[in-house]
Amino acid sequence: NAGVMQNPRHLVRRRGQEARLRCSPMKGHSHVYWYRQLPEEGLKFMVYLQKENIIDESGMPKERFSAEFPKEGPSILRIQQVVRGDSAAYFCASSPSGYSNQPQHFGDGTRLSIL
Amino acid sequence: QQQVKQSPQSLIVQKGGISIINCAYENTAFDYFPWYQQFPGKGPALLIAIRPDVSEKKEGRFTISFNKSAKQFSLHIMDSQPGDSATYFCAARRGYGGATNKLIFGTGTLLAVQP
Repeated sequence: NAGVMQNPRHLVRRRGQEARLRCSPMKGHSHVYWYRQLPEEGLKFMVYLQKENIIDESGMPKERFSAEFPKEGPSILRIQQVVRGDSAAYFCASSPSGYSNQPQHFGDGTRLSIL
Repeated sequence: QQQVKQSPQSLIVQKGGISIINCAYENTAFDYFPWYQQFPGKGPALLIAIRPDVSEKKEGRFTISFNKSAKQFSLHIMDSQPGDSATYFCAARRGYGGATNKLIFGTGTLLAVQP
């Protein structure tokens, strides 16, 4: 399966710990997007990255959250000092380029639970 | 201006019936309107998408109707089947050319098709 791969699928952390979520885009895709889905809500945009560049981080909380997409390896969404309110499903999507005629393909997400 | 309003929140349809989900937007800079289908525990999967220069697009049993002047678009599922039971999200995106590619999602519609 050459789809968007996210891991882990489920992640449990205690308050104050760090969470690292990984996303490997589809083969040939160099644009990655992260979205957060709270229970019973729609998906909210967090950040848009190309290789080694953050294009739009307008949806990222100002503190504790960071994202990267290095030249080699997966994209990482990092949440420091997690709090209960960070519990959500985090989805990654990818596209081949930034052209508007190219759809975003989503992975199956990481379910983050904060104890 | 960045919101996409979706209704109804939930929908129950008999097998063979027509499911209709509606969305409205404010930002006239949006030029790409996809619909996603999401099953429990899975990521959103692109179903069908439309651009504002087209009033209707049909793919199999799924049809998008688009009303540019009213800034509304809707998803019609003909001959609804129990396997269509899922959550459906509409979304909108601004075009390329300096603008971000982030998707703005509606809040979702939980569809249940009864046998």
